[in-house]
Amino acid sequence: EVQVVESGGGLVQPGGSLRLSCTVSELSFTDAWVNWVRQAPGKGLEWVGRIKSKADGGTGDYAAPVKGRFTVSRDDSKRTVHLQMNSLKTEDTAVYYCTTDSIHGSSSIRFDYWGQGTLVTVSS
Amino acid sequence: DIVLTQTPLSSPVTLGQPASISCRSSQSLVYGDGNTYLSWLQQRPGQPPRLLIYRVSNRFSGVPDRFSGSGAGTDFTLKISRVEAEDVGIYYCMQFTQFPRTFGQGTKVEIK
Repeated sequence: EVQVVESGGGLVQPGGSLRLSCTVSELSFTDAWVNWVRQAPGKGLEWVGRIKSKADGGTGDYAAPVKGRFTVSRDDSKRTVHLQMNSLKTEDTAVYYCTTDSIHGSSSIRFDYWGQGTLVTVSS
Repeated sequence: DIVLTQTPLSSPVTLGQPASISCRSSQSLVYGDGNTYLSWLQQRPGQPPRLLIYRVSNRFSGVPDRFSGSGAGTDFTLKISRVEAEDVGIYYCMQFTQFPRTFGQGTKVEIK
């Protein structure tokens, strides 16, 4: 059974930094692309960013509100993806979910497996 | 950005009765490869989202066959043939035809 586990959330002051981690088990991690999606309290879902597999370039794409402040990286040896969040704002307060785009047979299914999420609170 | 508009925003349903959710896109979701990258997610209370339907009409592993997706271009529908108590939650459509990936506002399904 595929497991996606996020960690690293917590309380941080505006302007501060935080690094989230996402560890994935039981799928071909090196082939997977990984997304971060967030959900502010009582609100809907917002895509944050994504990192491709190293075979596909290993590059990241980001939503406009976080571009230049957030960076996604991966360590395939540890089956882990990180979300480095800098210059945090109060509006970044949310539960952050990690979700995979993984290979099933000969095709890719996007946003197939989700973690339980980790809460980030930006407040003074 | 592509805007996804879901209707209704709230759907009270009697157990055993059908439910239907519409998702309308501000642009065609047909990608250059001919595929349409529209998915449906379920979020039960206090739980993370879960993938139900991908590429318009394909049920993900473990999803009951009472869930079905249909549509094309800019208009899509999620149907639950007979609502069960465990189907209570918020349902989101989402697109990944274009960046940024976007989600509908969500439709709350509750039991009457």
